[in-house]
Amino acid sequence: EVQLVETGGGLIQPGGSLRLSCAASGFTVSTNYMTWVRQTPGKGLEWVSVIYSGDLTYYADSVKGRFTISRDNSKNTLYLQMNSLRAEDTAVYYCARVTAQGYFDYWGQGTLVTVSS
Amino acid sequence: EIVLTQSPGTLSLSPGERATLSCRASQSLSSTFLAWYQQKPGQAPGLLIYGVSSRATGIPDRFSGSGSGTDFTLTISRLEPEDFAVYYCQQYGSSPRTFGQGTKLEIK
Repeated sequence: EVQLVETGGGLIQPGGSLRLSCAASGFTVSTNYMTWVRQTPGKGLEWVSVIYSGDLTYYADSVKGRFTISRDNSKNTLYLQMNSLRAEDTAVYYCARVTAQGYFDYWGQGTLVTVSS
Repeated sequence: EIVLTQSPGTLSLSPGERATLSCRASQSLSSTFLAWYQQKPGQAPGLLIYGVSSRATGIPDRFSGSGSGTDFTLTISRLEPEDFAVYYCQQYGSSPRTFGQGTKLEIK
């Protein structure tokens, strides 16, 4: 059974850093495309980042230069390193598996990140 | 960036009725790269439909998707109590991937 479990969210001050983890089971992270999506009441669902084969990565303009997506194949885990956090980064962050066609077939339960002083 | 506009924002219907949800794209989508997701309170979105009209594994056949170009529709033929949720469309043919703002399907 495919399962994704995010951890690492919490309350962080503006300008701070946080690393989210997404532990996968039932499939291999290293051979799949993986993505992060965030959700806020005001902006809805917003795609954040994706990692493809060969560790090719893309980012939304809103996080480019501040966030880094990566994976640890030995731990079968996806990460999102978030630096220089801003109030507008406050959201529930989901990891998801991306199919070869590009849609997101499995999602984690989400982890809440709150950026506030 | 392709903007997806969903309508209506809220749809109030009774169990057994037919629901029609709309998703309009700001420009024509390449091929059939449109998906629909269902989200219930406190849960992550879950895949319903991909490729405009293909149902995801385990999705009952009362759910159907249609459309092309800029206009897409999710239809639920006969609403069951568990279908009342928020529905999002997503395009995945163009970067960045974008979502509609959602349609809340509520019990009348």
